[in-house]
Amino acid sequence: GQNIDQPTEMTATEGAIVQINCTYQTSGFNGLFWYQQHAGEAPTFLSYNVLDGLEEKGRFSSFLSRSKGCSYLLLKELQMKDSASYLCAVMDSNYQLIWGAGTKLIIKP
Amino acid sequence: NAGVTQTPKFRVLKTGQSMTLLCAQDMNHEYMYWYRQDPGMGLRLIHYSVGEGTTAKGEVPDGYNVSRLKKQNFLLGLESAAPSQTSVYFCASTAGLAADTQYFGPGTRLTVL
Repeated sequence: GQNIDQPTEMTATEGAIVQINCTYQTSGFNGLFWYQQHAGEAPTFLSYNVLDGLEEKGRFSSFLSRSKGCSYLLLKELQMKDSASYLCAVMDSNYQLIWGAGTKLIIKP
Repeated sequence: NAGVTQTPKFRVLKTGQSMTLLCAQDMNHEYMYWYRQDPGMGLRLIHYSVGEGTTAKGEVPDGYNVSRLKKQNFLLGLESAAPSQTSVYFCASTAGLAADTQYFGPGTRLTVL
């Protein structure tokens, strides 16, 4: 079967750095996405990786290792507004997105 | 541009009632999707469409039907609602496959009593 694993919840301090991990087992791979979802709102796109390595976008970076079947999202200089759920999703061989259950990130002052 | 819109935002149904959720997008996207989101689970694909007049089943299609008569609209129907269909429903659209981002509507919170 297809499976995406990520931690259920993480806590970090304002101004710090946090890394959210995602491991996957899917039938085929056509890229990995990270989305942010604030409580009661829709998911919004953060990043996309299809090749191994690091993609940097401002305070957010995403890393992919296809050989290890894993990715991480790195958030720097954490702000209170970063409190949200972070969803990892893999596009499989049928170009369907397989979603993880999400990691709820709690930022403390 | 409104992006992706969904109506209604909230709905309470009794078991056995029917309803239709409407999704509209103004980005001229070909692909549209209906997902449900339940606590502790990832988004699950119900049905999707790769163009006007076409629909296909996703991971959890049972109990739902869809139609895409116009490119901008994607309707999700529940013919006989069941408590197991209590969920938050999201519609999404994208221009193409692969690297194209899916844009989500604000969601519909449905409760079936």
